[in-house]
Amino acid sequence: GESVGLHLPTLSVQEGDNSIINCAYSNSASDYFIWYKQESGKGPQFIIDIRSNMDKRQGQRVTVLLNKTVKHLSLQIAATQPGDSAVYFCAENITGRRALTFGSGTRLQVQP
Amino acid sequence: EPEVTQTPSHQVTQMGQEVILRCVPISNHLYFYWYRQILGQKVEFLVSFYNNEISEKSEIFDDQFSVERPDGSNFTLKIRSTKLEDSAMYFCASSPRQGKDTQYFGPGTRLTVL
Repeated sequence: GESVGLHLPTLSVQEGDNSIINCAYSNSASDYFIWYKQESGKGPQFIIDIRSNMDKRQGQRVTVLLNKTVKHLSLQIAATQPGDSAVYFCAENITGRRALTFGSGTRLQVQP
Repeated sequence: EPEVTQTPSHQVTQMGQEVILRCVPISNHLYFYWYRQILGQKVEFLVSFYNNEISEKSEIFDDQFSVERPDGSNFTLKIRSTKLEDSAMYFCASSPRQGKDTQYFGPGTRLTVL
């Protein structure tokens, strides 16, 4: 259940460092955004979401930033741990629809 | 913590055969979904289901596909006459209510069509 294409962008960080994963979304009509984490052999796991009337939302060790002007979303992970190693997907949801549109993913590798 | 479950974890079938992928959504959820992920590609939406009918579907979800909620707990995806290009991970998801709500995903079924 992972995206293993050679073209998948990879972010490599040291344990304890902060990580920033970026996503450009495509549709200006999107009003809801979610970050998912996918570990090898598993389904996407919800991390954090944000609605378009906000530009920042914080969770436990994670922060999502939304810049609607440039259609950009980022996920910040504080004090990255080896267990954070996975593929991270942003997903967008267009007003009036249920379908999520997923980005292509970023692989996060945490070096101990 | 409640989870979406899926069976089987891996299904191997011959081209042209029919397969049924099974999902048990989280018990108090009202919306159900199927997505697929071809190896090396993005997760793609197939269909959403609410109140015993399809509420939305993508262009991938053609007449080869059907969904059903046969009882109060299961949600199934049937693929008739499978093709080689149907090989993928199939994820079921569910969400609690109307409006913008987090979709919670199951672990997936890996379908291999030979």
